[in-house]
Amino acid sequence: DQQVKQNSPSLSVQEGRISILNCDYTNSMFDYFLWYKKYPAEGPTFLISISSIKDKNEDGRFTVFLNKSAKHLSLHIVPSQPGDSAVYFCAASGVGSGAGSYQLTFGKGTKLSVIP
Amino acid sequence: GAGVSQTPSNKVTEKGKYVELRCDPISGHTALYWYRQSLGQGPEFLIYFQGTGAADDSGLPNDRFFAVRPEGSVSTLKIQRTERGDSAVYLCASSFREGSYNEQFFGPGTRLTVL
Repeated sequence: DQQVKQNSPSLSVQEGRISILNCDYTNSMFDYFLWYKKYPAEGPTFLISISSIKDKNEDGRFTVFLNKSAKHLSLHIVPSQPGDSAVYFCAASGVGSGAGSYQLTFGKGTKLSVIP
Repeated sequence: GAGVSQTPSNKVTEKGKYVELRCDPISGHTALYWYRQSLGQGPEFLIYFQGTGAADDSGLPNDRFFAVRPEGSVSTLKIQRTERGDSAVYLCASSFREGSYNEQFFGPGTRLTVL
């Protein structure tokens, strides 16, 4: 069963408008959430993260919102630019520092196309 | 500074052969991860090293897969008796230290094709 779900495989947005990418998770032990951006033939690039003690984190044009009760997070990009066109992966990890693994569990990704 | 590097970038092999995939993490990063990404999927965890030891290998699909990190830096993922289902992009990532709140930095991946 998928613990991290990105239900929209693709999204098209006009340049200058807001892009909203959504992600849902099922495992309540996740306490750290990340968004990665991936261009073809490259590895995922870290974009922004949020820990479970916060509900919002902002970095320039990118803002991540976390709704713990709904087990939902979203990435807002505003304004969207053609260079933002890529696949965006939502990822989550659990287990605080100490024994255990810090593996990331990824969603399947959403392909964002920003139309000039 | 240099990012995570992986070699080769592409590997084509025949069913039943043995392959080795190499990962060079960011200098100073003690944690190293291997993931596998199949077409249309997100990366899936394989194994995690903290220093030289495999702290978590629960993601390895079977005993044909093995990974080492003998000196706590470079890591090699080894696949014996390759099968067509092993075809995927193998990604390596590193992070500065262990702990939940550390982003992982990914290499470009090795695309493995088993014919």
